[in-house]
Amino acid sequence: KAGVTQTPRYLIKTRGQQVTLSCSPISGHRSVSWYQQTPGQGLQFLFEYFSETQRNKGNFPGRFSGRQFSNSRSEMNVSTLELGDSALYLCASRSDSGAFFGQGTRLTVV
Amino acid sequence: TQLLEQSPQFLSIQEGENLTVYCNSSSVFSSLQWYRQEPGEGPVLLVTVVTGGEVKKLKRLTFQFGDARKDSSLHITAAQPGDTGLYLCAGAPGGKLIFGQGTELSVKP
Repeated sequence: KAGVTQTPRYLIKTRGQQVTLSCSPISGHRSVSWYQQTPGQGLQFLFEYFSETQRNKGNFPGRFSGRQFSNSRSEMNVSTLELGDSALYLCASRSDSGAFFGQGTRLTVV
Repeated sequence: TQLLEQSPQFLSIQEGENLTVYCNSSSVFSSLQWYRQEPGEGPVLLVTVVTGGEVKKLKRLTFQFGDARKDSSLHITAAQPGDTGLYLCAGAPGGKLIFGQGTELSVKP
């Protein structure tokens, strides 16, 4: 069974731009969660999607948004990028037995 | 304020030593999970503890869930350099999976 796939692995953007990250969960998993990981804040919950609906949301500004498609693949978008958005963005595919993470997308905003 | 507080935040030990990492909360959790993350990778699930007082073993790692289901601990016996990494506890209050700040463990040969 293939694991969670995140693309791209690395991304460099300039302030003010927008970015879209992609996540393909494990086959059969309908829940996808997104996290932002920084050295100072640790793993912060962004949002969770289940069957194309946002089920939970963290405390991030509206510049952070996401969606899920009928095949459970998910995307997250960050608009008007700020330097502080530089982080590792992780996607997790959830089942009853736990959360399974992708390798993440390392976003650097310059 | 973190819902899950982990201690210590950093731990540097010699190969062969024992160590314990703690995960505490003022809230009751139906279950807690432990993950290990290596640099440049996503966290990997190690174990889920569900019952208060439960003890689970994974080779040299022993996980315990507190009787009141508000805390958990991870004990590593005879640590090895391969145990180096970030250890995270996690719980899902209200359905969303949240994480503690993590314990950065470094085991020196």
